[in-house]
Amino acid sequence: AQSVTQPDIHITVSEGASLELRCNYSYGATPYLFWYVQSPGQGLQLLLKYFSGDTLVQGIKGFEAEFKRSQSSFNLRKPSVHWSDAAEYFCAVGAVFGNEKLTFGTGTRLTIIP
Amino acid sequence: DAGVIQSPRHEVTEMGQEVTLRCKPISGHDYLFWYRQTMMRGLELLIYFNNNVPIDDSGMPEDRFSAKMPNASFSTLKIQPSEPRDSAVYFCASKAATGTGSTDTQYFGPGTRLTVL
Repeated sequence: AQSVTQPDIHITVSEGASLELRCNYSYGATPYLFWYVQSPGQGLQLLLKYFSGDTLVQGIKGFEAEFKRSQSSFNLRKPSVHWSDAAEYFCAVGAVFGNEKLTFGTGTRLTIIP
Repeated sequence: DAGVIQSPRHEVTEMGQEVTLRCKPISGHDYLFWYRQTMMRGLELLIYFNNNVPIDDSGMPEDRFSAKMPNASFSTLKIQPSEPRDSAVYFCASKAATGTGSTDTQYFGPGTRLTVL
């Protein structure tokens, strides 16, 4: 069964500092990987996704993520955070064939301090 | 495009009452998903439909929960009778069927916050 672990429940970063959110997955083959962001009171918005090819994926709002098969990781990064990046971030893994399910991690809440 | 539309946005009800949550997916999308989000369990998939047909309902917690999709533009999630432990945010999401597996983006609605007293 597929699973996702986001080891950091809450991260606080100063505005302008760099950010890395961790995500580890468990899946029997090459997975499809996603990062979503949820602002308070809102639904989830896709930041970026990885299916195949280049392991460094660019997303919206200046975010990127790198797929590392050897570490079963898909960490999300941003070189310089803005106050508007404060939100909850979810990593998700999906199956390659035959199953439309996405399995989400428990999320990382990001707080930005001035 | 209006995106995925859910109603109501907030629902407060008393234990034992019937609750119906509604979802209108993005036009042209073939898949519709119902999720539940709680602090304790995070985001869980309850059920999903393909072309109005339920494909996987293994996440539906118990018989008190039922979901229908009578046509391509409307789905309901019903809880009868409701219990306090059903309090959560319920999300609907939809996606197109242009790829295989989970290749295509799921677009989420704003959610319905349900409180059962």
